Amino acid sequence: KAGVTQTPRYLIKTRGQQVTLSCSPISGHRSVSWYQQTPGQGLQFLFEYFSETQRNKGNFPGRFSGRQFSNSRSEMNVSTLELGDSALYLCASSGGQSEAFFGQGTRLTVV
Amino acid sequence: AQKVTQAQTEISVVEKEDVTLDCVYETRDTTYYLFWYKQPPSGELVFLIRRNSFDEQNEISGRYSWNFQKSTSSFNFTITASQVVDSAVYFCALSEGIYSGAGSYQLTFGKGTKLSVIP
Repeated sequence: KAGVTQTPRYLIKTRGQQVTLSCSPISGHRSVSWYQQTPGQGLQFLFEYFSETQRNKGNFPGRFSGRQFSNSRSEMNVSTLELGDSALYLCASSGGQSEAFFGQGTRLTVV
Repeated sequence: AQKVTQAQTEISVVEKEDVTLDCVYETRDTTYYLFWYKQPPSGELVFLIRRNSFDEQNEISGRYSWNFQKSTSSFNFTITASQVVDSAVYFCALSEGIYSGAGSYQLTFGKGTKLSVIP
């Protein structure tokens, strides 16, 4: 069974640009959640999607958005990038009674 | 509001020693889930265990064991006979809310404990 796949693995963007990250969940999982990990703030919940609907949202500005497609794949978008958005972005998928499994993450560097 | 505290920022042990990683949580919900994850240098969070609030049985899996005590809101993790491969950052996490029981989680993580096992 394939795991959670995140693309790309690494990104370098310039301040003010926007970026889109992708997450393909484990087959059959309908829930996809996103987390930001930084040295200062640790792991923080961004949002969660279930069956194409945002179910929960963390305390992040509106520049952070996401969506989920009918095949459960999810994308998150960050607009008007700031230096502080540099982080490891992790995606997790879960479904039914399963645990939350994480992908390898996308490391975003904003310069 | 939910909160997870891992008071130990870094721990160093010599190989084959036992080590316990502490986790204390706060929640107002009666139904919640607790997790432990391991994060090696590669960055991926590796699932170790999930426990729901109604199951206080301790669990053992090989060299790993977990002690869940609702009375003290703690969910501690012990590695017996530690090995160098156990070196990683370990995170405790909590998920509450009505959807958690259906596998839909909003995880609140502790700050993590960096474990270094010295050969």
